[in-house]
Amino acid sequence: DTEVTQTPKHLVMGMTNKKSLKCEQHMGHRAMYWYKQKAKKPPELMFVYSYEKLSINESVPSRFSPECPNSSLLNLHLHALQPEDSALYLCASSQVVLDSYEQYFGPGTRLTVT
Amino acid sequence: QKEVEQNSGPLSVPEGAIASLNCTYSDRGSQSFFWYRQYSGKSPELIMSIYSNGDKEDGRFTAQLNKASQYVSLLIRDSQPSDSATYLCAVRSGTASKLTFGTGTRLQVTL
Repeated sequence: DTEVTQTPKHLVMGMTNKKSLKCEQHMGHRAMYWYKQKAKKPPELMFVYSYEKLSINESVPSRFSPECPNSSLLNLHLHALQPEDSALYLCASSQVVLDSYEQYFGPGTRLTVT
Repeated sequence: QKEVEQNSGPLSVPEGAIASLNCTYSDRGSQSFFWYRQYSGKSPELIMSIYSNGDKEDGRFTAQLNKASQYVSLLIRDSQPSDSATYLCAVRSGTASKLTFGTGTRLQVTL
């Protein structure tokens, strides 16, 4: 089973709102990722958690706040977003094994900031 | 700057033909190579991974890796209209779990 789930599927929020995106995997993967994808562009890495610790932050603005409560869950807390933050937000997970790191993506959350 | 380059396409092939998608990368230390398929409005789906020089086959898909030439390709045999999608090449370098993606090649399989 290579399933990563994400909720919600769609989210519309105003610039003053606070919302959270959720991601879950039950594959025993110990690395989890947040990506942002704009139309006709490749996924852009935002954060990486390895063994529940933040290992990579790609200089993401502080209005995006990741959280990894346990090895199966990953959250992305959103606050005071801008319209240009509208995008498809993808969660992925992988093993942490040399010569592997196959990443499996969830279906994504389509975010619109108004 | 580690780069992964792909021709953006569209690459148009007739149904039943072989589609050949190519990817070059700049970091000679790259170790792991992946092909993802992405349908419009959907998330990327891993279809092939390859780690050593040579060919790797999985059904209608064959991944080819040539580290000396810094080149990885994906062949799709007996192309079907359902193969019409954007194909993303991704490369992992170093010990970090970070992937560098190419910009993707759009494949159109025509009837």
